[in-house]
Amino acid sequence: DQQVKQNSPSLSVQEGRISILNCDYTNSMFDYFLWYKKYPAEGPTFLISISSIKDKNEDGRFTVFLNKSAKHLSLHIVPSQPGDSAVYFCAASAVGTSYGKLTFGQGTILTVHP
Amino acid sequence: DGGITQSPKYLFRKEGQNVTLSCEQNLNHDAMYWYRQDPGQGLRLIYYSQIVNDFQKGDIAEGYSVSREKKESFPLTVTSAQKNPTAFYLCASSILQANTEAFFGQGTRLTVV
Repeated sequence: DQQVKQNSPSLSVQEGRISILNCDYTNSMFDYFLWYKKYPAEGPTFLISISSIKDKNEDGRFTVFLNKSAKHLSLHIVPSQPGDSAVYFCAASAVGTSYGKLTFGQGTILTVHP
Repeated sequence: DGGITQSPKYLFRKEGQNVTLSCEQNLNHDAMYWYRQDPGQGLRLIYYSQIVNDFQKGDIAEGYSVSREKKESFPLTVTSAQKNPTAFYLCASSILQANTEAFFGQGTRLTVV
């Protein structure tokens, strides 16, 4: 039972354009959502997060949007840069669970072409 | 520099052997976690610990064991009972506070030969 789904295995964009990565979830108890960036053979690094009491959080070129009614979140990267090429994981944690106990999506491979 | 150190980076094991993966953190985090990543899949939780001498099973604990004798250390043993142990293993830690991120180590690639 995949509670967090990233339905696009890969995304390819041109440098300078917007990258939009999507994530859907099924568990209504999820109240905190995170995006991680991962390079091959390395550990994931935290990128940005959003609490369920918000619908948008921004950090520089990265913005995360949350639509609770649709159980959907997205990560926008503007403008995209070649260094953004990596695997992006969406993750979620539920109310009342252990704090770093995260449920991850399958990941989306982002390729930004110069 | 504060961080999480996993060793070794690459590990080869013969079938039927137990192997222990090391994870050390100097972030003074109370909670530590072990995740497994397989190709085309997200990270799946194996075990986690919120306090010394206590730990809980995650979603895929069968064939694994852990210990938490020190706050800084959370080793993972992959036993011969794990049917498909070849994977990328990631250790993480976090503070015990709601709405916070987990910090990850660089991972250990385990290959069964």
